[in-house]
Amino acid sequence: DQQVKQNSPSLSVQEGRISILNCDYTNSMFDYFLWYKKYPAEGPTFLISISSIKDKNEDGRFTVFLNKSAKHLSLHIVPSQPGDSAVYFCAASVGGATNKLIFGTGTLLAVQP
Amino acid sequence: EPEVTQTPSHQVTQMGQEVILRCVPISNHLYFYWYRQILGQKVEFLVSFYNNEISEKSEIFDDQFSVERPDGSNFTLKIRSTKLEDSAMYFCASRTGRGLGNTIYFGEGSWLTVV
Repeated sequence: DQQVKQNSPSLSVQEGRISILNCDYTNSMFDYFLWYKKYPAEGPTFLISISSIKDKNEDGRFTVFLNKSAKHLSLHIVPSQPGDSAVYFCAASVGGATNKLIFGTGTLLAVQP
Repeated sequence: EPEVTQTPSHQVTQMGQEVILRCVPISNHLYFYWYRQILGQKVEFLVSFYNNEISEKSEIFDDQFSVERPDGSNFTLKIRSTKLEDSAMYFCASRTGRGLGNTIYFGEGSWLTVV
């Protein structure tokens, strides 16, 4: 049951250019979305989040866009830096007591110097 | 910056043995979680814990698994009789409160290898 999907397993971008990572979801009850960055053998590190009442949230070089009608969100990284190279997971939750996260399968971003 | 800490970072155990993974959540957090990631797969929810009881658990979290908060700081995951398929990275996580806007923060993970 893949409620959260990241269809691109990998993405390669030149340093300084924009990285766009995409995520689709099927559960219309999701009301909070997050992006996490993960290095091998480390825990996910929170990057940015957005609630379903918004369609955009910015934090420095990171911007998340939410299109509820399309059940799609994206993470833009501008400008991309070699240190951004990692696996990026989108995650979603339904508001409630537990707010457990449902993760996508991840996209490996490689930023080439 | 406060962080979630986990021990051990790596444990190798024989099939059928009991394993306890330990976590110290961020101090003012109230909700605690265990997730796991089997190699090459996505991060999966196991269990959430609040007010000294399980709030929700996934199908993965069967009778072989248990969680405990034995004191005010530690949060443990016990696997009673490990199976080969329990080999995974186990992540502890915590958040401060209920509802939207309360980000879940993850620890570095405990890599469990069952042989």
